[in-house]
Amino acid sequence: DIQMTQSPSTLSASVGDRVTITCRASQSISSWLAWYQQKPGKAPKLLIYKASTLKSGVPSRFSGSGSGTEFTLTISSLQPDDFATYYCQQIRAFGQGTKVEIK
Amino acid sequence: EAQLVESGGGLVQPGGSLRLSCEASGFTFSNHAMRWVRQAPGKGLEWVSTISSNGGITYYADSVKGRFTISRDISKNTLDLQMNSLRAEDTAVYYCARDATTVTTNYYYAMDVWGQGTTVTVSS
Repeated sequence: DIQMTQSPSTLSASVGDRVTITCRASQSISSWLAWYQQKPGKAPKLLIYKASTLKSGVPSRFSGSGSGTEFTLTISSLQPDDFATYYCQQIRAFGQGTKVEIK
Repeated sequence: EAQLVESGGGLVQPGGSLRLSCEASGFTFSNHAMRWVRQAPGKGLEWVSTISSNGGITYYADSVKGRFTISRDISKNTLDLQMNSLRAEDTAVYYCARDATTVTTNYYYAMDVWGQGTTVTVSS
């Protein structure tokens, strides 16, 4: 089975910061990667699919890149609404999550 | 607006059974594969099971294989998860989710619509 590893597990940042989260796959998954945002007590929300395609309605400060085994989610200028936990996902596995908290 | 609503969660003893349901509305249910994803308290997301758009193909995580059964009723727009031989480690919020891919657009296994979740607690 393909394993997904996210880093860091926790990230402390301030409003306006540029934030990057990394997701690594244990073997190549081409561009079959999605990113989700989850807030406490809520269901996850899809942000990006196919590694870099922004879902309609998602703010353009979110971007994704990568292919093969290494992927990144970038938030260009962190907003108060962005403090949450982020997960990467390939077909049947999620990364362990990255919590973005207020510095 | 596409919507998913789960039901059926509750408290069950180890070794017991529970059946979760997910009612879909606002979209053509038969056009999409569907999934169950769970989240143990304070933990990350774990994929549980997938069923194809017509119900003919199913997949299960190793952790639930042989104990859980996914099914769907296209006439009723419902997705079910029959859970048997429940264990303490099955305690989680269970979400049903829609696979975004259709015959016209490939979303590469992303899930674009989620229910609010239903809580399953396995404890004596």
